[in-house]
Amino acid sequence: DTAVSQTPKYLVTQMGNDKSIKCEQNLGHDTMYWYKQDSKKFLKIMFSYNNKELIINETVPNRFSPKSPDKAHLNLHINSLELGDSAVYFCASSQDLRRTDTQYFGPGTRLTVL
Amino acid sequence: DQQVKQNSPSLSVQEGRISILNCDYTNSMFDYFLWYKKYPAEGPTFLISISSIKDKNEDGRFTVFLNKSAKHLSLHIVPSQPGDSAVYFCAASVSGTYKYIFGTGTRLKVLA
Repeated sequence: DTAVSQTPKYLVTQMGNDKSIKCEQNLGHDTMYWYKQDSKKFLKIMFSYNNKELIINETVPNRFSPKSPDKAHLNLHINSLELGDSAVYFCASSQDLRRTDTQYFGPGTRLTVL
Repeated sequence: DQQVKQNSPSLSVQEGRISILNCDYTNSMFDYFLWYKKYPAEGPTFLISISSIKDKNEDGRFTVFLNKSAKHLSLHIVPSQPGDSAVYFCAASVSGTYKYIFGTGTRLKVLA
């Protein structure tokens, strides 16, 4: 059973389009995250949610809107896609917000904006 | 400003020898550190962590050393195995911030 799953795995789209990436965890965790890994391999946190409540929003453009319908899901919607949005997006989850809680990552979604 | 740096993008080691991966940080407020391992087409997986109250933590073949005065940590893998070939990320956090700052990773290749 996949602990943290993301769909789609690959996403190729045109500039200006709106797209969503879905994330689901079956670990019963309270906290979920979105990370972006850019072309320089920096892995940076974008958002974190704890019990469906937004905890971290790391100066991400408001074209990016996370949605957490329940604790097991954290979806990422991106409006008006730009070339610079091309990256690998990782979803992750942890038991709680404690730093000592291991974060479990999904396999990533490679987004290419043409 | 990259607060966590892994200055070696890649490292090759013979099977059975020791692999040493290094990580430097600039923020003296960091007090919890982790190492993650990442295989191609997969997400990072947790490997080992260390709190700033310790200078060493060991888990099987993996040992992390922390030198707070030098703001440096290292991951030792001994003996190295071909299955250890992956990208290794170090990450650090400050108490109360609920987030980790990741380095850019070091690609380890263990040669059979």
